[in-house]
Amino acid sequence: DAGITQSPRHKVTETGTPVTLRCHQTENHRYMYWYRQDPGHGLRLIHYSYGVKDTDKGEVSDGYSVSRSKTEDFLLTLESATSSQTSVYFCAISVGLENEQYFGPGTRLTVT
Amino acid sequence: RKEVEQDPGPFNVPEGATVAFNCTYSNSASQSFFWYRQDCRKEPKLLMSVYSSGNEDGRFTAQLNRASQYISLLIRDSKLSDSATYLCVVNSWGKLQFGAGTQVVVTP
Repeated sequence: DAGITQSPRHKVTETGTPVTLRCHQTENHRYMYWYRQDPGHGLRLIHYSYGVKDTDKGEVSDGYSVSRSKTEDFLLTLESATSSQTSVYFCAISVGLENEQYFGPGTRLTVT
Repeated sequence: RKEVEQDPGPFNVPEGATVAFNCTYSNSASQSFFWYRQDCRKEPKLLMSVYSSGNEDGRFTAQLNRASQYISLLIRDSKLSDSATYLCVVNSWGKLQFGAGTQVVVTP
């Protein structure tokens, strides 16, 4: 158990509304990540953080923003949700020199 | 072309049998390699790292072939609880690239 929680675990929202997903870790890890997982695709990196207020884009960052004001919390915001953002979102932390990552339980987001 | 490619399966395996599957990766400069296990509607969990010399963890054996750019996973004496999707993961310059997964179904 890597001490990672995500909230909410499930959310249904309407197109055009803002949505914020939260990732919380209890073990003071420096690196945190947001991924999305869709059928037929591997997990794809949205954004990541390498410290408080230090973030960078991943391969599918369009339409998403992130913030990290405390070590333990990494927030993912969909400014104006679209149906293409219906997905399962996983948060992860990185451990060790080889970048082993451990994942939170995920958030299932449906945009109608 | 995807960075990491896997046969999606499913691989249907009788209980007690051996199953093996590979994945290929495109970035020859990749530094580290992993197999993750993902159960239905759950998060991926690290199964094992993959080392150049090959490594075992109980019934699981992982191999890396850098020359041909593939890694493999072999499961011996399959258990019903081994039914899952196995994700091949490659670390390239601090970024993990994930395969879409190979589904394994172990049948009684």
